[in-house]
Amino acid sequence: EDQVTQSPEALRLQEGESSSLNCSYTVSGLRGLFWYRQDPGKGPEFLFTLYSAGEEKEKERLKATLTKKESFLHITAPKPEDSATYLCAVQARLKNDMRFGAGTRLTVKP
Amino acid sequence: KAGVTQTPRYLIKTRGQQVTLSCSPISGHRSVSWYQQTPGQGLQFLFEYFSETQRNKGNFPGRFSGRQFSNSRSEMNVSTLELGDSALYLCASSFGGTLGDTQYFGPGTRLTVL
Repeated sequence: EDQVTQSPEALRLQEGESSSLNCSYTVSGLRGLFWYRQDPGKGPEFLFTLYSAGEEKEKERLKATLTKKESFLHITAPKPEDSATYLCAVQARLKNDMRFGAGTRLTVKP
Repeated sequence: KAGVTQTPRYLIKTRGQQVTLSCSPISGHRSVSWYQQTPGQGLQFLFEYFSETQRNKGNFPGRFSGRQFSNSRSEMNVSTLELGDSALYLCASSFGGTLGDTQYFGPGTRLTVL
């Protein structure tokens, strides 16, 4: 069965303190791995899609990487506005649903 | 370009009632997926519609149903509501292609069952 595990569950950083979030997955043929950001009471906001091992994508202070077993979301010099829950999801071949991890709740203190 | 819209944003119902939620996808998107989000279970897939046909379904009871119209708008219905159905219901739309299609989410409908 497809599974997605995110760690840590919660992360508290000081402004400017870089770190990484982890997403480990098992899936029968990866079609895509997705990162979303979700603020309280809102729908998830799309960040990145990764399709194959070795792929990397960047957006402002965020960089996502992918291996055959896991993905990392690197946050460089975070700011308080980066505080949110970050969700990872996988989509398997021949399926049209996404399997989500439980998320990492990130808090960045000024 | 307008995003995914969902109506209503908030709903309060009592046990045993039924409810219908609506989702309008991004213009040009033909696939609509529905998810349930709760603190305990996280985001769980309900079903996906593409060109008015249900293409995939998650592990939810038959009380949860949906449909899609020719303009790609979608509705989700929950009959005989239970307390455990209280959740944020999210709709996501995508082009509906076959290669890691990115899904864009709406703001959600917060359903409270009393």
